[in-house]
Amino acid sequence: AQSVTQLGSHVSVSEGALVLLRCNYSSSVPPYLFWYVQYPNQGLQLLLKYTSAATLVKGINGFEAEFKKSETSFHLTKPSAHMSDAAEYFCAVSGPEGNKLTFGGGTRVLVKP
Amino acid sequence: GAVVSQHPSRVICKSGTSVKIECRSLDFQATTMFWYRQFPKQSLMLMATSNEGSKATYEQGVEKDKFLINHASLTLSTLTVTSAHPEDSSFYICSARGSPGGRTYEQYFGPGTRLTVT
Repeated sequence: AQSVTQLGSHVSVSEGALVLLRCNYSSSVPPYLFWYVQYPNQGLQLLLKYTSAATLVKGINGFEAEFKKSETSFHLTKPSAHMSDAAEYFCAVSGPEGNKLTFGGGTRVLVKP
Repeated sequence: GAVVSQHPSRVICKSGTSVKIECRSLDFQATTMFWYRQFPKQSLMLMATSNEGSKATYEQGVEKDKFLINHASLTLSTLTVTSAHPEDSSFYICSARGSPGGRTYEQYFGPGTRLTVT
C-alpha cells in the first residue's frame, strides 16, 4: 500500500522568496515519486520525478526536490518564487511498474507581490 | 511528445442523460489509461484503470455500471457517465501510459473535462 501526505494545504510566499512544499510518503516497494503542478481548470503538468537514480532531482521552471529515504520525504523547493508559480501542487507516489499513482492532498501556492 | 487530449473540455447535461468523454494519446500508443475524478479544491482520486482490449479495473466504491470505460484502441479510451445526476458533476482527468522514450512508468495527463449536470 502507498500513501502520500502533503503538509500544508495552503502556502503563501512573497515574490522572490524560497518556495518549500513538503511531501512525505509511505510505500511497501521502492517508490517512484512525482511532483505535478495544476493551474485552474487544467490537467496536471509534470514538474519532476524520482526514479531511483540521483536523489536530488531537478525539474522544470527552476524547481528541484530531494529524495530522503531515511525521512521518507520528497520535498519540493524553488529558490525564488515567481508570480507564475501560483498554482496547486501535487506530490504522488507509484511503484516501479508505474501501475497506480497515489496523490497527496495538494498544496495551493499563493505568491504575493 | 507524449501529448494526451480530452474531448470535450466542458459539458453541461441534464439529469438522467448520458455523457461520453474521450481521452486520446496523440503521439504514442497507450497500453494503459487511467481515469481520475477531482472535486473542487481536492486531490485526484483514481476511478479506474483500463488496458487496451481488456475490461477496466475499477477502484473500490466506483460504480462500474455508472461509469462505463472502453479502451478499444491503443490511442483512445472513453468514459461514459450513464444516467448522470448532479452529484456526478466534477472534473474528470485521464492519463495515459505507454512507452514514449522508453519510460513505461510515466503517466501523461490530459487537460481534463468539466462535467456539470443540471
